[in-house]
Amino acid sequence: AQSVAQPEDQVNVAEGNPLTVKCTYSVSGNPYLFWYVQYPNRGLQFLLKYITGDNLVKGSYGFEAEFNKSQTSFHLKKPSALVSDSALYFCAVRDIGQAGTALIFGKGTTLSVSS
Amino acid sequence: DTGVSQDPRHKITKRGQNVTFRCDPISEHNRLYWYRQTLGQGPEFLTYFQNEAQLEKSRLLSDRFSAERPKGSFSTLEIQRTEQGDSAMYLCASSLALGGHQETQYFGPGTRLLVL
Repeated sequence: AQSVAQPEDQVNVAEGNPLTVKCTYSVSGNPYLFWYVQYPNRGLQFLLKYITGDNLVKGSYGFEAEFNKSQTSFHLKKPSALVSDSALYFCAVRDIGQAGTALIFGKGTTLSVSS
Repeated sequence: DTGVSQDPRHKITKRGQNVTFRCDPISEHNRLYWYRQTLGQGPEFLTYFQNEAQLEKSRLLSDRFSAERPKGSFSTLEIQRTEQGDSAMYLCASSLALGGHQETQYFGPGTRLLVL
């Protein structure tokens, strides 16, 4: 069965420091991988996705993520965190080999950036 | 703003009542999805449409839930005989699929349902 794990419920970083939000996945085939961000009482905003090709994907607001097939990971990174990056981040996967188009989401990681 | 819109944004109802939510997708998006999100969890897939056809339903979608997309544009999600366990955020997303399943889903702001 497809699944996504975000091992950290919360990540705390100081403004200006690099940040990493971790994501690992389990699929039977090849994955499509996505990161979304959610602000309080709002829907999800798309940040970036990995479909194929270069393992390093660049997205919105200076975020990037690296696809690592051997470690089945897709960690979200940013070189210099901003206080405004504080939000709830979700990793999601779609298994190319399975029928259906639903995204499978992790439980989310709360990012808190202090000034 | 041409994003996904949902109405209402908030709904409080009493147990046993019926509720209906509406989703207007991004114009010309041919796929529309419904997800449910409970506190502390990621969104969980409920159902999706390609144009007006409902192509997939999750086992989470009990008989009390029904969704329609009659003209391939907006969609409604109805919950009959609501239960307290139905309290959640209901999210709608849309996408433009040109073949395959690699397209990005764009989410609306959600409808927060509270069943008393």
